[in-house]
Amino acid sequence: DGGITQSPKYLFRKEGQNVTLSCEQNLNHDAMYWYRQDPGQGLRLIYYSQIVNDFQKGDIAEGYSVSREKKESFPLTVTSAQKNPTAFYLCASSGPGPNYEQYFGPGTRLTVT
Amino acid sequence: AQSVAQPEDQVNVAEGNPLTVKCTYSVSGNPYLFWYVQYPNRGLQFLLKYITGDNLVKGSYGFEAEFNKSQTSFHLKKPSALVSDSALYFCAVRLFSGNTGKLIFGQGTTLQVKP
Repeated sequence: DGGITQSPKYLFRKEGQNVTLSCEQNLNHDAMYWYRQDPGQGLRLIYYSQIVNDFQKGDIAEGYSVSREKKESFPLTVTSAQKNPTAFYLCASSGPGPNYEQYFGPGTRLTVT
Repeated sequence: AQSVAQPEDQVNVAEGNPLTVKCTYSVSGNPYLFWYVQYPNRGLQFLLKYITGDNLVKGSYGFEAEFNKSQTSFHLKKPSALVSDSALYFCAVRLFSGNTGKLIFGQGTTLQVKP
């Protein structure tokens, strides 16, 4: 998990509340990603950013929002519009080019009741 | 459509025996292939990758994988399994060119190594 931090590790929220998950990296990577992990479904891409002040929707962006104001930071907001927000959220970053592997943070487990 | 399949939800093997975790892919173009491991409630750790060159790739913790273009497979192997290898393993693919760095992940395979 080195180089990427996610906080908090566990997060509990009431339904209808927005919540922001933090992701910081000190690897000097341009690209950053947010994934959602549910049991038996692997990882699904929510949003990604290849450069500061730019980001694109992934496969399941509805109900989520992101910002990329700094190279080191890529926070994810889970809005009240997300119908099933309870999940394990993983942030990743990578160097330039398709041959670079992604490095993952330790994850945040969000529970919404 | 691009996809990655891990046909086994779980693989059970005795400690000291060889292990194989299967992965097949479907992409248009030359793939970049990756294996990751995840321990409970942790992030993913990179194990190895195939970009080009030798079809047999060696990675971390004694793992290796064989790229087979004709069978569109990239199976993960280890000659002698350890109990500590028990974890969730993910195969992932990325296109060679024109991509945005996105990875497509398989559903994951749980490896259980019994003493």
